[in-house]
Amino acid sequence: NAGVMQNPRHLVRRRGQEARLRCSPMKGHSHVYWYRQLPEEGLKFMVYLQKENIIDESGMPKERFSAEFPKEGPSILRIQQVVRGDSAAYFCASSPSQTETNYGYTFGSGTRLTVV
Amino acid sequence: DAKTTQPTSMDCAEGRAANLPCNHSTISGNEYVYWYRQIHSQGPQYIIHGLKNNETNEMASLIITEDRKSSTLILPHATLRDTAVYYCIVRVSSGYALNFGKGTSLLVTP
Repeated sequence: NAGVMQNPRHLVRRRGQEARLRCSPMKGHSHVYWYRQLPEEGLKFMVYLQKENIIDESGMPKERFSAEFPKEGPSILRIQQVVRGDSAAYFCASSPSQTETNYGYTFGSGTRLTVV
Repeated sequence: DAKTTQPTSMDCAEGRAANLPCNHSTISGNEYVYWYRQIHSQGPQYIIHGLKNNETNEMASLIITEDRKSSTLILPHATLRDTAVYYCIVRVSSGYALNFGKGTSLLVTP
């Protein structure tokens, strides 16, 4: 069983460019959660999605950030017009359902975004 | 979700038990205690969780005090591969977001 797959592992963008981060959940998982980890900080919740629905985006910055989880394909976290402060590790997690997060998420290995 | 307090760092000799404390004095009756760890540059890994009874699995044991205001994660025989940041998180069972604090950086030494 493949785990949660995130790509790319490393992404370098110049200020003002767009960053697209992809997350393929574990097989059979239809709930996806994105977290951001700034340097020397703990992970912060960003957004919770089910297929074709955003359930909770309370942790997302109000501008430039968006997320989707289409019916087919991976979940995408999109950052427009990146700035240096967006440099961070972005982690995706998945679960079969919301209630089954009681038994722990499965996290991917993350995408390290560097804005130069 | 209730706030948790953990020591910034701890050392443990390889083969010895690592006991990682966590204070959660404002925990509510319906909040669980979760432990995750993050080995350098990797995604967090679920370890164990509990409500009020002590729990044990293949990775660790979780001891929760009777008043539930604190808990201890025990790695019974620490190995070098257990060197990681350990996060104690309190969350209601119906929730989904995990609030990771700074955690405890555990260094296991030979």
